[in-house]
Formats: sequence, C-alpha cells, structure tokens
Amino acid sequence: EPEVTQTPSHQVTQMGQEVILRCVPISNHLYFYWYRQILGQKVEFLVSFYNNEISEKSEIFDDQFSVERPDGSNFTLKIRSTKLEDSAMYFCASSATGWDTEAFFGQGTRLTVV
Amino acid sequence: QKEVEQNSGPLSVPEGAIASLNCTYSDRGSQSFFWYRQYSGKSPELIMFIYSNGDKEDGRFTAQLNKASQYVSLLIRDSQPSDSATYLCAVNQGAQKLVFGQGTRLTINP
Repeated sequence: EPEVTQTPSHQVTQMGQEVILRCVPISNHLYFYWYRQILGQKVEFLVSFYNNEISEKSEIFDDQFSVERPDGSNFTLKIRSTKLEDSAMYFCASSATGWDTEAFFGQGTRLTVV
Repeated sequence: QKEVEQNSGPLSVPEGAIASLNCTYSDRGSQSFFWYRQYSGKSPELIMFIYSNGDKEDGRFTAQLNKASQYVSLLIRDSQPSDSATYLCAVNQGAQKLVFGQGTRLTINP
C-alpha cells in the first residue's frame, strides 16, 4: 500500500543549527503538507504546497522555515536557525486533490533541539 | 481564530460497548471532516471522512455530521482494546489546510 515516508525518524540538533526534514509523498498525490505536534499538544498546520509553490502557510511558518520539492519525489522542510521551541514531531502529509480528499500522514520526524 | 473543539477525555468504555466521540467546529465554511486515530508517539491514521450531512458507516465506525449545528461525531461499535488511542477530529479551513482538535483519549477496558 502506498505510504508517505519521512527521514530521519529522529533528529537531534543544537540550537541555532539548520535542519532539513525529508519526505517522500505518495507518488500520484499533488498536494503536500507539513504539520507539527509539540509534545502533548494538538497537531498544527504549517504549510501546504501545490504546483511547486506554497499555497498556504500558518503564522508559525515564519522566515526561518522553507519548503522545497527539489526533484520529482522529495519534499523537504528546512528550519534555518533552530530554537528550543522548535522541538516537536513534524509530520509530512499528502493528498490527491486537496481539501476534498483525505490527507495521509508519514510516520513523523521527532526533532529535538538542545 | 477558527477552532475545532473536542473533549480531551479520558473517555473510558467497556469492551464491546459503543464509544461516542464528539467534535464541534466554528468555521461554517468547512466542507470536509475527518477522523484520525493517533497512538502514542505515532502519526495520525485516517479512519473516516465525511462531507454530507447525515451518517456514514464503515465497518464498526460511523461518522455523523450536522452542519447546521456544526457538529461531527464518531461512533465505534463493539469497542476493542486495540481501539484505545487518541481520536483527532480535523476540519478543512480554506482550500488546503486541516485544523485539528486537541483529541479525545479513549480507553477500552477489557
């Protein structure tokens, strides 16, 4: 069964360092998303991406965040200068046609900023 | 701020009984409603989605939507211990964004 794949599963980084979280969405999906979940809190939307550009982003997704689809399969989230409060589980998701179809989530990357 | 509200629980249900999970949302423009299950430390796993008023059944799960009351529910029949998890209600807000509730923690007691 097709699935969304994320790497790494766990990333530890020092405050101020740059991190790149990687995702391979389901192959025939057109819409890609990043969400995050701080421990014990709700899942929060970060950004959606369609047709090689950001289509929507939340107030959390500030200038330190960027997304890219460098090739036909990968979708990445870069955090330029990590802060302690960026520690969270980051989920990539994809859907076939946007809001009217379900989004499937990857297994997540646990980011720990020390 | 458009919100999705759920009772955080914990909700405790005996094995074999019906578990009823509720969700309200504030954005009247929302058109897609999703229930996800999340085990501790894992990613959200889609259970069901519903777009139209009324009931939608899939196996032991039934989703109910009432747009006039801005209310979505999930019923789990014949609850099993493996159903113990946090259940997340998610609602679309705009074209490409899901807003999640804080989740209801469900425990099925053998």
